[in-house]
Amino acid sequence: DTEVTQTPKHLVMGMTNKKSLKCEQHMGHRAMYWYKQKAKKPPELMFVYSYEKLSINESVPSRFSPECPNSSLLNLHLHALQPEDSALYLCASSQDAPGGSMLSEHFGDGTRLSIL
Amino acid sequence: GEDVEQSLFLSVREGDSSVINCTYTDSSSTYLYWYKQEPGAGLQLLTYIFSNMDMKQDQRLTVLLNKKDKHLSLRIADTQTGDSAIYFCAEGVTGGGNKLTFGTGTQLKVEL
Repeated sequence: DTEVTQTPKHLVMGMTNKKSLKCEQHMGHRAMYWYKQKAKKPPELMFVYSYEKLSINESVPSRFSPECPNSSLLNLHLHALQPEDSALYLCASSQDAPGGSMLSEHFGDGTRLSIL
Repeated sequence: GEDVEQSLFLSVREGDSSVINCTYTDSSSTYLYWYKQEPGAGLQLLTYIFSNMDMKQDQRLTVLLNKKDKHLSLRIADTQTGDSAIYFCAEGVTGGGNKLTFGTGTQLKVEL
């Protein structure tokens, strides 16, 4: 069982739909992350939130819009996605610490997204 | 971004040792990590090593780091069928969260 919960587990949507992916953790972690993982590939970092503020945006297209409403929740709002956006979207959380620290990221099991 | 390379596939017999290799490029990384991903699941942190260390042992896992050659390896002793998974090395830079760059991943298959 994972301590980071992602919903839904699977999502199929059309290119004109708007949907949201949700992530929740109750470990008191103050850093939360979104990753995209294509089949047989490593996860690619999309966004990092540190103390509910966006600290890293890895040049992700604006059709992906993250939101961190509080320290336990992280959302990823989706709009006008393309077929190539079909992937496993992973959420993770960790403590936050100054540079040079070891941070153990805890991953959810992901949302498998298919764009028709 | 930086490229972190791993061999794609490794097959071993149950009870043997497995060695998974990783070559990274960013010498500024403070920590290097090994993650395991089982089918249909997220990633699980197995172990990590501080960049000033050469070796770290944690039960069946041994991590070796050659900083000069930017080479990292993970040795799993007495490999079991439950170890079958994809293994990712990762290099990390912290500050405002953690910025991990994952390796290409090695699929480990353990045969009876």
